[in-house]
Amino acid sequence: NAGVMQNPRHLVRRRGQEARLRCSPMKGHSHVYWYRQLPEEGLKFMVYLQKENIIDESGMPKERFSAEFPKEGPSILRIQQVVRGDSAAYFCASSPGGFYYGYTFGSGTRLTVV
Amino acid sequence: KQEVTQIPAALSVPEGENLVLNCSFTDSAIYNLQWFRQDPGKGLTSLLLIQSSQREQTSGRLNASLDKSSGRSTLYIAASQPGDSATYLCAVLPLYNFNKFYFGSGTKLNVKP
Repeated sequence: NAGVMQNPRHLVRRRGQEARLRCSPMKGHSHVYWYRQLPEEGLKFMVYLQKENIIDESGMPKERFSAEFPKEGPSILRIQQVVRGDSAAYFCASSPGGFYYGYTFGSGTRLTVV
Repeated sequence: KQEVTQIPAALSVPEGENLVLNCSFTDSAIYNLQWFRQDPGKGLTSLLLIQSSQREQTSGRLNASLDKSSGRSTLYIAASQPGDSATYLCAVLPLYNFNKFYFGSGTKLNVKP
């Protein structure tokens, strides 16, 4: 079991470009969570998805950010028209049925906006 | 709204010292509290998980305590080693939402040889 796979590990984008971050959950896990870690800060919840559904997006910025978890394939966190303030580490976690049932974090994607 | 605070933000100690990292949270309605280790550029490694009904958990040289009523947890590291150098994050899982961890900003530990 390869664990939670996030790619790319590092991503550099120029201001105004789009960033796409991918998260492949552990086998058998149908729940995915995205967290963002700004420099020198803790992780902040962004969004919680199940297959084809967004369950809780209360931590997502209102504009430019979107997330999906299709029936097939990885979960995608999409950031349109990136700005310098989007530079952060983005972590994904997966669970078989909510955090109550255990969860695993990925190694993260480090986004740098230049 | 739950807020998690960790003190100190950074700590530098000589090898062999026993040390204590502190975590406080504002809402005592938690399901569990977890301590993570984060190495530079890496993901999170779970160290200890304390259920709300527990007072402490131990793993090797690590001991974590929980005082839910006062909103505090401590992580005790005995006989620190250079390999313990990392950032330590505290996170709480609230009773009202099993799907959203609240993290502190971490304590960055440097153990000098």
